[in-house]
Amino acid sequence: QLQLQQSGSRLVKPSQTLSLTCAVSGASISSGGYPWNWIRQSPGKGLEWIGYMYHSGTSYYNPSLKGRVTISVDRSKNQFSLQLTSVTAADTAVYYCARSKVGLDVWGQGTTVTVSS
Amino acid sequence: DIVVTQSPATLSVSPGDKVSLSCRASRSIAARLAWYQQKPGQAPRLLIYEASTRATDVPVRFSGSGSGTEYTLTISALQSEDVAVYYCQQYHNWPPVTFGQGTRLEI
Repeated sequence: QLQLQQSGSRLVKPSQTLSLTCAVSGASISSGGYPWNWIRQSPGKGLEWIGYMYHSGTSYYNPSLKGRVTISVDRSKNQFSLQLTSVTAADTAVYYCARSKVGLDVWGQGTTVTVSS
Repeated sequence: DIVVTQSPATLSVSPGDKVSLSCRASRSIAARLAWYQQKPGQAPRLLIYEASTRATDVPVRFSGSGSGTEYTLTISALQSEDVAVYYCQQYHNWPPVTFGQGTRLEI
């Protein structure tokens, strides 16, 4: 059974780079040709899609994040990662990883990220 | 980008109620719509995809319908554990994936 495992809570200072990892178990990240996504949810708010990447390396990002996002895949470790640069308090959120099959069918448990000095 | 609008924002419900949640897209999305349930402190859970297909292990009291720009999630007989926030999401024209703002069910 496919599972996505995320790391624990993070505290990041303003202007720094946020890095998160999503470990995939129960299937190869390279199988099925599905995109691997990051989504975030600010406190008390709705869901915002950040972007996705295929295992081939093709990626798409939400234009609202203005080029601050990079998603990468490490096939040797069966995991994918998110980097968000120049963070501000507005980036404080719970960050989720998820697979797209039809809809976002498998989700990680979420990582709480707080941006504060 | 396709804008997805949910209504109502909040709905007061009672166990046993038949509940209908609405999702409207800014242009036709050809049934490329998913519904999610999110309980406090949990990740969203996929309930419905392709507008009307139940995901694995989703109870039959949840059903989806609609076409074009108008979609509905129906809970035939609400149970207390169904109290949650429900989101719809379009994947007809992506990226970007777009979500509605959510409908909160409260007792």
